Amino acid sequence: EVQLVESGGGLVQPGGSLRLSCAASGFTFSNYAMNWARQAPGKGLEWVSGISTSGGSTYYADSVKGRFTISRDNSKNTLYLQMNSLRAEDTAVYYCAKETLPGDRGSGFDCWGQGTLVTVSS
Amino acid sequence: QLVLTQSPSASASLGASVKLTCTLSSGHSSYAIAWHQQQPEKGPRYLMRLNSDGSHNKGDGIPNRFSGSSSGAERYLTISSLQSEDEADYYCQTWGTGIRVFGGGTKLTVL
Repeated sequence: EVQLVESGGGLVQPGGSLRLSCAASGFTFSNYAMNWARQAPGKGLEWVSGISTSGGSTYYADSVKGRFTISRDNSKNTLYLQMNSLRAEDTAVYYCAKETLPGDRGSGFDCWGQGTLVTVSS
Repeated sequence: QLVLTQSPSASASLGASVKLTCTLSSGHSSYAIAWHQQQPEKGPRYLMRLNSDGSHNKGDGIPNRFSGSSSGAERYLTISSLQSEDEADYYCQTWGTGIRVFGGGTKLTVL
């Protein structure tokens, strides 16, 4: 069974940092591009960042560019999101998601994690 | 600019059918999309990938009541024999080089 399990969320002060992890199982992790998306309270889904199979290419939404860093460890089947200079507007449930097709091209997300809540507040 | 547009809300009666629409921005009418369902207080669930020719590939365990179709820049999700558990938010998603995009979502109410 394909499974994604996020961890690392919590309460952080504005300007602080947090690192999210996503543990993958049930598929060959290194063959799939991966992504982070988020959902602010009462709002819709927003794509945050994506990474290629090797980790050599990374992509970011304008709202997080320069503050967030996506990475992956294919030996540990784990995806990461390092979040720095956090703002109140970054408060959201963060989901990791797997592309449908193997390779580096986009193909739609066919598996989502359960999400981890990040709250940025003083 | 790659944008997806969805109506904010829709409603239909129990046992009836409903057709939700997702519109691709100008110049992007050949793009495939994915449909996702999000039930209240739950994470998103992948429903299907829908191509510009209307062919679609559903996720594991998605009932036959869910189907997709396409016309020009419009992508549709049809749910037949509506059940109470179909009351949810429905999001379309597409992708380009280095970007992934979600529509604003449609909140479906089952009457």
